[in-house]
Amino acid sequence: GAVVSQHPSRVICKSGTSVKIECRSLDFQATTMFWYRQFPKQSLMLMATSNEGSKATYEQGVEKDKFLINHASLTLSTLTVTSAHPEDSSFYICSARGTGWGYTFGSGTRLTVV
Amino acid sequence: GENVEQHPSTLSVQEGDSAVIKCTYSDSASNYFPWYKQELGKGPQLIIDIRSNVGEKKDQRIAVTLNKTAKHFSLHITETQPEDSAVYFCAALSTLMKTSYDKVIFGPGTSLSVIP
Repeated sequence: GAVVSQHPSRVICKSGTSVKIECRSLDFQATTMFWYRQFPKQSLMLMATSNEGSKATYEQGVEKDKFLINHASLTLSTLTVTSAHPEDSSFYICSARGTGWGYTFGSGTRLTVV
Repeated sequence: GENVEQHPSTLSVQEGDSAVIKCTYSDSASNYFPWYKQELGKGPQLIIDIRSNVGEKKDQRIAVTLNKTAKHFSLHITETQPEDSAVYFCAALSTLMKTSYDKVIFGPGTSLSVIP
């Protein structure tokens, strides 16, 4: 079945630094990738949607200059949290969609900003 | 836009009993309804899905029903086991736009505990 690999699974960074999270579709071409943020005991909140080679579409309230998304190829999307602050600490999850109906999720990245 | 509600928020059942989680959606254009299971610290995993041209779908102990008229869909887990304990999310989306910008809108989640 479709597999999405997300790295790193956990990252701790200092306030003010940037962190990059990678999302790779291993056995299919992801025409669209989605990035979600999840706070403890809450649902997944969509941050942005990206198509390969196009600029990402951000949801209302999500700062595009803070959460940089690059979808440079059909198998790789990256989310960079720039100038991270403690309030950016969260669980970030990517999802990829190929040509079919299904959406496959990565295993998530636990970001802690200290 | 689409809005998905989900009930209950928490559910405890005895091992072997059935569990039912219900969702409603608002956008009549939604035509695909996946259910995801999320274990602690992991990403969601698709467990079953249903399309709007089908009223019911079953996969071993898991079944999903859809009532398009009422905009309701439900997840049924029979003969529950402790390993079924997790957070379950329903979702709804429309794939009719023929673009890649159809978004999965999640319900708020149900925390299921199966008591041995």
